[in-house]
Amino acid sequence: QKEVEQNSGPLSVPEGAIASLNCTYSDRGSQSFFWYRQYSGKSPELIMSIYSNGDKEDGRFTAQLNKASQYVSLLIRDSQPSDSATYLCAVNGGWGVGGAQKLVFGQGTRLTINP
Amino acid sequence: ETGVTQTPRHLVMGMTNKKSLKCEQHLGHNAMYWYKQSAKKPLELMFVYSLEERVENNSVPSRFSPECPNSSHLFLHLHTLQPEDSALYLCASSQDLLVGYTFGSGTRLTVV
Repeated sequence: QKEVEQNSGPLSVPEGAIASLNCTYSDRGSQSFFWYRQYSGKSPELIMSIYSNGDKEDGRFTAQLNKASQYVSLLIRDSQPSDSATYLCAVNGGWGVGGAQKLVFGQGTRLTINP
Repeated sequence: ETGVTQTPRHLVMGMTNKKSLKCEQHLGHNAMYWYKQSAKKPLELMFVYSLEERVENNSVPSRFSPECPNSSHLFLHLHTLQPEDSALYLCASSQDLLVGYTFGSGTRLTVV
């Protein structure tokens, strides 16, 4: 059973600080890694993707991947109250048919940014 | 507008009813998916369609029946559901192995 593990939280961070979210996965064959943000009552929204070891930065967001240790992390700099949401880690298990892929999701980490 | 539209947004149905969820994607993607999201559980993959052919059926009970008439439309037909089937049902689409899904806004289903 391929698994993706996240700390469910809640994680509470003061406004302006760095929020750090972590995810581990079990399938060493995983190729693609994604972070989704889900506001309460809404659907998930893709915010970051990463495929190679190291860091990938996009604005206030930085995704980090370490395939040897099988973990992915998301850093949010200068956290804002609008960043309060549940963050879902998703991993592609290397399975694909005609462009379709199977993403395995973690249960999500609930993040609260306190003003 | 996310590019993936789901209807209805909310649905309440009795255990003996038959209803259908609809999903339409305007992104030109070639793969579509149904996921179930229950409280405090990870998203559960239900069905995968690639180029209108079902390529994954994740041990879903037969009371859920998918249909993909073309690459832009996906349906989930529901009949004789159980209260534990109450959840948020999410449709998604994708084009490429290296790009994540685009999700629709979801249908909040309540079975009474």
